[in-house]
Amino acid sequence: EIVLTQSPDTLSLSPGERATLSCRASQSVSNRFLAWYQQKPGQAPRLLVSGAFIRATGIPGRFTGSGSGTDFTLTISGLEPEDFAVYYCQQYGASPLTFGGGTRVEIK
Amino acid sequence: QVQLVQSGAAVKKPGSSVKVSCKASGDTFSNYPLSWVRQAPGQGLEWMGDIIPLFAEPNYAQKFQGRFSITADESTSTVSMELSGLRFEDTALYYCARGSIEGAVRYSLDYWGQGTLVTVSS
Repeated sequence: EIVLTQSPDTLSLSPGERATLSCRASQSVSNRFLAWYQQKPGQAPRLLVSGAFIRATGIPGRFTGSGSGTDFTLTISGLEPEDFAVYYCQQYGASPLTFGGGTRVEIK
Repeated sequence: QVQLVQSGAAVKKPGSSVKVSCKASGDTFSNYPLSWVRQAPGQGLEWMGDIIPLFAEPNYAQKFQGRFSITADESTSTVSMELSGLRFEDTALYYCARGSIEGAVRYSLDYWGQGTLVTVSS
């Protein structure tokens, strides 16, 4: 199975700053089938990006996905208070579906 | 708007079984894959398996083969999962989530249930 490694584990930033989250795959993710989710305490995950860079319906433009092959990035340009959460990547290029371990974005 | 509503929390003894249901509304039920994903306390997300109700052929992650089953009832737009041989480490939030691509075997997850807490305790 494809193992996804997210870094860093925790990102401490202030509102308005840019967040750069990394997701590295143990083997190439076919067709850029990589998704990103946001999860807040007590809530289910929410889909942000699929296909590596396609924002889901209603997701603000400050969330940008990029990458291909084994290296993917989620960039949040100008953190809003509601963006402090845990972010997960997920690959669906191969079975089984797998998730990364998550990156927590916390207020500095 | 798609909604997935799961059954309530459960407390189970080690070695017993638990069944969790997920009722879908608001969109075509039968053609989209429905996955089960679990999250242990303070941990990340783990995909367990899925089913496309129209085909009724479940797929399971290897880790859960043999003690995990998924069924679908098209008449009630409900998908259910059952996990047997419960262990303390099965204590987790169990989510159902819909695959974003109709009829696909690999997909992102665009709609999620509210989660069902299963606690395994003696």
